[in-house]
Amino acid sequence: GAGVSQSPRYKVAKRGQDVALRCDPISGHVSLFWYQQALGQGPEFLTYFQNEAQLDKSGLPSDRFFAERPEGSVSTLKIQRTQQEDSAVYLCASSLNRRDRQGSGGNTIYFGEGSWLTVV
Amino acid sequence: GIQVEQSPPDLILQEGANSTLRCNFSDSVNNLQWFHQNPWGQLINLFYIPSGTKQNGRLSATTVATERYSLLYISSSQTTDSGVYFCAVAASGGSNYKLTFGKGTLLTVNP
Repeated sequence: GAGVSQSPRYKVAKRGQDVALRCDPISGHVSLFWYQQALGQGPEFLTYFQNEAQLDKSGLPSDRFFAERPEGSVSTLKIQRTQQEDSAVYLCASSLNRRDRQGSGGNTIYFGEGSWLTVV
Repeated sequence: GIQVEQSPPDLILQEGANSTLRCNFSDSVNNLQWFHQNPWGQLINLFYIPSGTKQNGRLSATTVATERYSLLYISSSQTTDSGVYFCAVAASGGSNYKLTFGKGTLLTVNP
Protein backbone atom coordinates (compact mmCIF):
# COMPACT_ATOMS: atom_id res chain seq x y z
CA GLY A 1 0.00 0.00 0.00
CA ALA A 2 0.92 3.65 -0.22
CA GLY A 3 1.00 4.36 3.49
CA VAL A 4 2.23 2.81 6.72
CA SER A 5 0.06 -0.14 7.60
CA GLN A 6 -0.44 -1.46 11.13
CA SER A 7 -2.21 -4.49 12.50
CA PRO A 8 -4.21 -5.29 14.44
CA ARG A 9 -6.03 -1.99 14.63
CA TYR A 10 -7.61 -2.94 17.93
CA LYS A 11 -6.48 -5.47 20.48
CA VAL A 12 -7.94 -6.36 23.85
CA ALA A 13 -5.56 -8.44 25.95
CA LYS A 14 -5.98 -9.99 29.36
CA ARG A 15 -3.38 -8.92 31.88
CA GLY A 16 -0.39 -11.23 31.61
CA GLN A 17 -0.99 -12.08 27.97
CA ASP A 18 1.68 -11.50 25.32
CA VAL A 19 0.83 -9.33 22.31
CA ALA A 20 2.50 -8.68 18.97
CA LEU A 21 1.85 -5.57 16.90
CA ARG A 22 2.87 -5.44 13.27
CA CYS A 23 4.02 -2.52 11.15
CA ASP A 24 4.48 -2.48 7.40
CA PRO A 25 6.30 0.77 6.49
CA ILE A 26 6.18 2.66 3.24
CA SER A 27 8.14 0.77 0.63
CA GLY A 28 11.74 1.94 0.41
CA HIS A 29 11.73 3.78 3.71
CA VAL A 30 14.94 3.16 5.58
CA SER A 31 13.92 4.47 8.99
CA LEU A 32 11.19 3.00 11.15
CA PHE A 33 9.94 4.26 14.50
CA TRP A 34 7.59 3.08 17.21
CA TYR A 35 5.79 5.59 19.42
CA GLN A 36 3.35 5.12 22.29
CA GLN A 37 0.44 7.51 22.77
CA ALA A 38 -1.56 7.58 25.97
CA LEU A 39 -5.03 9.11 26.01
CA GLY A 40 -4.89 12.89 25.81
CA GLN A 41 -1.13 13.01 25.37
CA GLY A 42 1.30 13.42 22.52
CA PRO A 43 3.14 10.39 21.16
CA GLU A 44 6.28 9.31 23.00
CA PHE A 45 9.29 7.75 21.32
CA LEU A 46 9.91 4.06 21.94
CA THR A 47 12.49 2.84 19.45
CA TYR A 48 14.17 3.49 16.09
CA PHE A 49 15.44 1.23 13.31
CA GLN A 50 17.61 2.04 10.37
CA ASN A 51 17.07 -0.85 8.00
CA GLU A 52 17.32 -3.94 10.21
CA ALA A 53 19.50 -2.32 12.86
CA GLN A 54 17.83 -1.14 16.04
CA LEU A 55 19.85 2.00 16.70
CA ASP A 56 17.90 3.37 19.63
CA LYS A 57 15.65 1.60 22.10
CA SER A 58 15.94 4.15 24.86
CA GLY A 59 12.19 4.77 25.00
CA LEU A 60 11.09 1.21 25.65
CA PRO A 61 9.49 1.38 29.11
CA SER A 62 10.61 -2.01 30.38
CA ASP A 63 12.28 -5.25 29.37
CA ARG A 64 8.79 -6.60 28.62
CA PHE A 65 8.89 -4.55 25.42
CA PHE A 66 10.81 -5.88 22.46
CA ALA A 67 10.94 -4.74 18.83
CA GLU A 68 12.48 -6.26 15.75
CA ARG A 69 12.81 -5.61 12.03
CA PRO A 70 14.74 -8.64 10.83
CA GLU A 71 14.73 -7.96 7.09
CA GLY A 72 14.69 -4.20 7.18
CA SER A 73 11.06 -3.85 6.17
CA VAL A 74 8.22 -5.16 8.38
CA SER A 75 8.61 -4.58 12.10
CA THR A 76 6.98 -6.20 15.11
CA LEU A 77 6.58 -4.70 18.56
CA LYS A 78 6.09 -7.38 21.17
CA ILE A 79 4.85 -6.80 24.69
CA GLN A 80 5.22 -9.66 27.12
CA ARG A 81 3.07 -10.19 30.21
CA THR A 82 0.94 -7.13 29.47
CA GLN A 83 -0.05 -4.83 32.33
CA GLN A 84 -2.90 -2.34 32.52
CA GLU A 85 -0.48 0.56 32.20
CA ASP A 86 0.47 -0.75 28.75
CA SER A 87 -2.96 0.29 27.46
CA ALA A 88 -2.28 2.92 24.80
CA VAL A 89 -2.13 3.48 21.08
CA TYR A 90 1.05 2.16 19.52
CA LEU A 91 2.05 4.14 16.48
CA CYS A 92 4.50 3.08 13.83
CA ALA A 93 6.12 5.60 11.50
CA SER A 94 8.64 5.51 8.69
CA SER A 95 10.81 7.96 6.83
CA LEU A 96 12.85 7.91 3.68
CA ASN A 97 15.98 9.07 5.50
CA ARG A 98 17.25 11.03 2.55
CA ARG A 99 16.23 14.27 0.88
CA ASP A 100 13.19 13.71 -1.29
CA ARG A 101 12.13 15.51 -4.43
CA GLN A 102 10.04 18.08 -2.59
CA GLY A 103 13.08 19.10 -0.60
CA SER A 104 11.21 18.56 2.62
CA GLY A 105 14.04 16.56 4.03
CA GLY A 106 14.47 12.87 4.51
CA ASN A 107 13.38 13.30 8.09
CA THR A 108 9.70 13.81 7.23
CA ILE A 109 7.94 10.96 8.98
CA TYR A 110 4.69 9.27 8.09
CA PHE A 111 2.56 7.55 10.69
CA GLY A 112 0.30 4.55 10.47
CA GLU A 113 -3.20 4.53 11.94
CA GLY A 114 -1.99 2.92 15.12
CA SER A 115 -2.77 -0.22 17.08
CA TRP A 116 -5.12 0.49 19.99
CA LEU A 117 -4.22 -1.83 22.87
CA THR A 118 -6.48 -2.26 25.87
CA VAL A 119 -5.31 -4.50 28.71
CA VAL A 120 -8.07 -5.74 30.97
CA GLY B 1 15.46 16.78 27.55
CA ILE B 2 13.95 19.39 25.30
CA GLN B 3 10.61 20.87 26.36
CA VAL B 4 7.81 21.61 23.91
CA GLU B 5 4.89 23.85 24.83
CA GLN B 6 1.92 24.36 22.58
CA SER B 7 -0.73 27.01 22.87
CA PRO B 8 -3.59 27.37 23.11
CA PRO B 9 -4.51 23.94 24.49
CA ASP B 10 -8.03 24.23 23.09
CA LEU B 11 -9.51 26.36 20.35
CA ILE B 12 -13.08 26.59 19.06
CA LEU B 13 -13.76 28.33 15.76
CA GLN B 14 -16.61 28.97 13.41
CA GLU B 15 -16.14 27.71 9.91
CA GLY B 16 -14.32 30.29 7.80
CA ALA B 17 -12.30 31.78 10.65
CA ASN B 18 -8.51 31.99 10.74
CA SER B 19 -6.29 30.77 13.56
CA THR B 20 -2.69 30.69 14.73
CA LEU B 21 -1.23 27.85 16.76
CA ARG B 22 2.05 28.30 18.57
CA CYS B 23 4.86 25.93 19.53
CA ASN B 24 7.66 27.02 21.86
CA PHE B 25 10.68 24.85 22.46
CA SER B 26 13.41 25.07 25.05
CA ASP B 27 16.51 24.34 22.99
CA SER B 28 17.82 24.70 19.46
CA VAL B 29 16.40 22.15 17.06
CA ASN B 30 17.42 20.45 13.84
CA ASN B 31 14.07 18.85 13.18
CA LEU B 32 10.58 20.30 13.63
CA GLN B 33 7.38 18.85 12.22
CA TRP B 34 3.71 19.74 12.53
CA PHE B 35 1.07 17.02 12.53
CA HIS B 36 -2.71 16.88 12.48
CA GLN B 37 -4.35 14.00 14.32
CA ASN B 38 -7.87 13.49 13.02
CA PRO B 39 -10.74 12.23 15.20
CA TRP B 40 -9.96 8.65 14.12
CA GLY B 41 -6.42 8.91 15.47
CA GLN B 42 -4.50 9.16 12.21
CA LEU B 43 -1.48 11.46 12.41
CA ILE B 44 -0.95 13.38 9.20
CA ASN B 45 2.32 15.17 8.56
CA LEU B 46 1.65 18.79 7.66
CA PHE B 47 5.10 20.35 7.51
CA TYR B 48 8.73 19.55 8.00
CA ILE B 49 9.98 22.99 8.99
CA PRO B 50 13.07 23.31 11.21
CA SER B 51 13.42 26.89 9.95
CA GLY B 52 11.80 29.30 7.52
CA THR B 53 8.30 29.49 6.11
CA LYS B 54 6.24 27.04 4.07
CA GLN B 55 2.74 27.11 2.68
CA ASN B 56 0.43 24.34 1.58
CA GLY B 57 -3.01 25.49 0.53
CA ARG B 58 -4.84 27.03 3.49
CA LEU B 59 -2.07 26.06 5.85
CA SER B 60 1.25 27.75 6.40
CA ALA B 61 3.97 27.48 8.99
CA THR B 62 6.85 29.61 10.14
CA THR B 63 9.71 28.59 12.38
CA VAL B 64 11.98 31.20 13.92
CA ALA B 65 14.71 28.91 15.11
CA THR B 66 16.78 31.62 16.78
CA GLU B 67 13.81 32.56 18.97
CA ARG B 68 12.75 28.96 19.52
CA TYR B 69 9.19 29.02 18.29
CA SER B 70 7.07 27.91 15.40
CA LEU B 71 3.63 29.03 14.26
CA LEU B 72 1.01 27.15 12.29
CA TYR B 73 -1.56 29.28 10.48
CA ILE B 74 -4.91 27.91 9.36
CA SER B 75 -6.96 30.16 7.12
CA SER B 76 -10.63 29.83 6.17
CA SER B 77 -11.03 26.89 8.54
CA GLN B 78 -13.28 23.99 7.63
CA THR B 79 -14.97 21.38 9.83
CA THR B 80 -12.52 18.81 8.50
CA ASP B 81 -9.70 20.80 10.13
CA SER B 82 -10.96 19.65 13.52
CA GLY B 83 -8.63 17.47 15.53
CA VAL B 84 -5.42 17.79 17.50
CA TYR B 85 -2.43 19.63 16.10
CA PHE B 86 0.96 18.50 17.36
CA CYS B 87 4.33 20.12 17.11
CA ALA B 88 7.30 17.75 17.41
CA VAL B 89 10.98 18.62 17.63
CA ALA B 90 14.40 17.05 17.88
CA ALA B 91 17.17 18.93 19.65
CA SER B 92 20.32 19.94 17.81
CA GLY B 93 23.35 18.02 18.94
CA GLY B 94 21.22 15.02 19.69
CA SER B 95 19.51 12.43 17.58
CA ASN B 96 17.62 14.28 14.85
CA TYR B 97 15.24 11.37 14.42
CA LYS B 98 14.00 11.30 18.01
CA LEU B 99 11.01 13.60 18.07
CA THR B 100 9.60 15.06 21.27
CA PHE B 101 5.95 15.98 20.92
CA GLY B 102 4.05 18.76 22.62
CA LYS B 103 0.68 18.08 24.24
CA GLY B 104 -1.15 19.42 21.24
CA THR B 105 -3.83 21.97 20.46
CA LEU B 106 -7.36 20.59 20.22
CA LEU B 107 -9.13 22.46 17.44
CA THR B 108 -12.88 22.29 16.98
CA VAL B 109 -14.37 23.95 13.91
CA ASN B 110 -18.13 24.34 14.07
CA PRO B 111 -20.32 24.66 10.96
